[in-house]
Amino acid sequence: DAGVTQSPTHLIKTRGQHVTLRCSPISGHKSVSWYQQVLGQGPQFIFQYYEKEERGRGNFPDRFSARQFPNYSSELNVNALLLGDSALYLCASSLGFAGGGTEQFFGPGTRLTVL
Amino acid sequence: GEDVEQSLFLSVREGDSSVINCTYTDSSSTYLYWYKQEPGAGLQLLTYIFSNMDMKQDQRLTVLLNKKDKHLSLRIADTQTGDSAIYFCAEGDYGGATNKLIFGTGTLLAVQP
Repeated sequence: DAGVTQSPTHLIKTRGQHVTLRCSPISGHKSVSWYQQVLGQGPQFIFQYYEKEERGRGNFPDRFSARQFPNYSSELNVNALLLGDSALYLCASSLGFAGGGTEQFFGPGTRLTVL
Repeated sequence: GEDVEQSLFLSVREGDSSVINCTYTDSSSTYLYWYKQEPGAGLQLLTYIFSNMDMKQDQRLTVLLNKKDKHLSLRIADTQTGDSAIYFCAEGDYGGATNKLIFGTGTLLAVQP
């Protein structure tokens, strides 16, 4: 069975541009979360979606937005890119939202470099 | 506030046991997790423990939880060179309308042959 997949693998953008990152969850999983991992740090929570609705948002500016599609795949959008947005962006999927089935399984990430 | 702390680095010899430690602050955490990250890769879920347990064993991995001291540890028996990676402790925050993971800064485990 396929795990969580993310595209693209790597991306180079310049300041001020916008970027769209994509994630496909494990088949049957209805929740997708996005995390940002800056070099040398642990991942930081950005968003969680469950059944196509936003369920949580971390401490990130409004330049960050996301959505979840009917097939449970998800997109993360970042506008007006800053140098500090350079990071590994990780997508995680889980079967459920609370209680049992909340284990989150991560994809390989998208490495974003902003020049 | 929410905070998870780990030591930055651990070096062991192949065949020895490794113990990676973590402290957390949110006493309402229901689940605590250990993830492994190899260079340039995503996070691999290794194991997790429910907060009403004090120990969980899974093959070479043993997780100990001291809820009173908010201390979590991961013991890897018979450590191999393939275990070299960064290990993250994470607490599950299920308060409010979301469930999110709060990660520590990671412990780099270096296994010497």
